Amino acid sequence: QQQVKQSPQSLIVQKGGISIINCAYENTAFDYFPWYQQFPGKGPALLIAIRPDVSEKKEGRFTISFNKSAKQFSLHIMDSQPGDSATYFCAAQGGETSGSRLTFGEGTQLTVNP
Amino acid sequence: SQTIHQWPATLVQPVGSPLSLECTVEGTSNPNLYWYRQAAGRGLQLLFYSVGIGQISSEVPQNLSASRPQDRQFILSSKKLLLSDSGFYLCAWSVWLSSPLHFGNGTRLTVT
Repeated sequence: QQQVKQSPQSLIVQKGGISIINCAYENTAFDYFPWYQQFPGKGPALLIAIRPDVSEKKEGRFTISFNKSAKQFSLHIMDSQPGDSATYFCAAQGGETSGSRLTFGEGTQLTVNP
Repeated sequence: SQTIHQWPATLVQPVGSPLSLECTVEGTSNPNLYWYRQAAGRGLQLLFYSVGIGQISSEVPQNLSASRPQDRQFILSSKKLLLSDSGFYLCAWSVWLSSPLHFGNGTRLTVT
């Protein structure tokens, strides 16, 4: 199975709050889990990524939590800011022998109200 | 540093017309190259990828084709556009098979 399920589809958070986006995968061969951030009219940009040998990775206000046994990972945005308003995609990669075929989630549209 | 260029930024084409979108990467050699399509601002669908010159893999049967005439050039084409070809087309590259993808800023295609 190559599917990555992402939730919620949309999220509204007040400035200063915590934004949480969840993803679940099925393919146990996945070994790389990036998150991409996309602003309107732009291409997605890599935000933060994790490999399954660690359970958490933090970069500034952004944290990935990874649960290998549950095959789930999530993005936490602490102290959310209006500038964080964007679409966020989780993805999973690995277990393929040709091409870097990232499998993307369907995306979460985050709105941070001032 | 590496950069990816994608053009045009927007394009309006009539049904039945041909299409050619171009993508070039600078600052790296023999990158993996990809074409994605994004509908309605969500959901990234991989259309084609290439691991080398002249090597194209198609992920989804469709009205489109891709070519890689040079190491850092990737072209998305169609002989006759359909209304369903409208969307946001994104080119991307990566260094290794398992390294991060770097996206261009996309082409907004509207087929009328």
